[in-house]
Amino acid sequence: DAMVIQNPRYQVTQFGKPVTLSCSQTLNHNVMYWYQQKSSQAPKLLFHYYDKDFNNEADTPDNFQSRRPNTSFCFLDIRSPGLGDAAMYLCATSRARGTYGYTFGSGTRLTVV
Amino acid sequence: AQSVTQLDSQVPVFEEAPVELRCNYSSSVSVYLFWYVQYPNQGLQLLLKYLSGSTLVKGINGFEAEFNKSQTSFHLRKPSVHISDTAEYFCAVSVYSGGYQKVTFGTGTKLQVIP
Repeated sequence: DAMVIQNPRYQVTQFGKPVTLSCSQTLNHNVMYWYQQKSSQAPKLLFHYYDKDFNNEADTPDNFQSRRPNTSFCFLDIRSPGLGDAAMYLCATSRARGTYGYTFGSGTRLTVV
Repeated sequence: AQSVTQLDSQVPVFEEAPVELRCNYSSSVSVYLFWYVQYPNQGLQLLLKYLSGSTLVKGINGFEAEFNKSQTSFHLRKPSVHISDTAEYFCAVSVYSGGYQKVTFGTGTKLQVIP
């Protein structure tokens, strides 16, 4: 089945130690998104790629970066994780931006110790 | 700017009873509307969407929603809930902004189905 896969499902990292979360898709969708979701809150868009075009949200901290080496893969890099970065990170894809609905991965729960 | 309001943070309901989860939005332009479901420690799954046409939209798992433009609402309903419907439900609105369709999520409603 075509899907969005996030690895790992659970990630524990040390305060200040760089961490990378990965997302892959077999849907051949143009757009890939990264969302941060804290407990009992709405998912918050960090950035997205439309093909190779990177779009950063204005309030996304510089600590968060992303790479999309090809259509199938997208990475979220957190350069120096703080305790406040502990959250569920969700990757999503769509054919077009915001029209057809998103397909989400299962998420990566990040713990910072 | 658009916004989405889900007034009920939690909704308890007995099994086999009907349920309505409320969603209101604000936008000065036309919108696309979505409902997503999130099970514990999972990503979000699209339940249904309204793009245009009939205001009554049917989705997966027996859910439906009605778009009401005059009341700027998109409430989610199910005539008879099951234990397996226990989850968090997010309403989302998509609006053309800054050169592309941008999606905003509501804060979610936790549906607790009581046996």
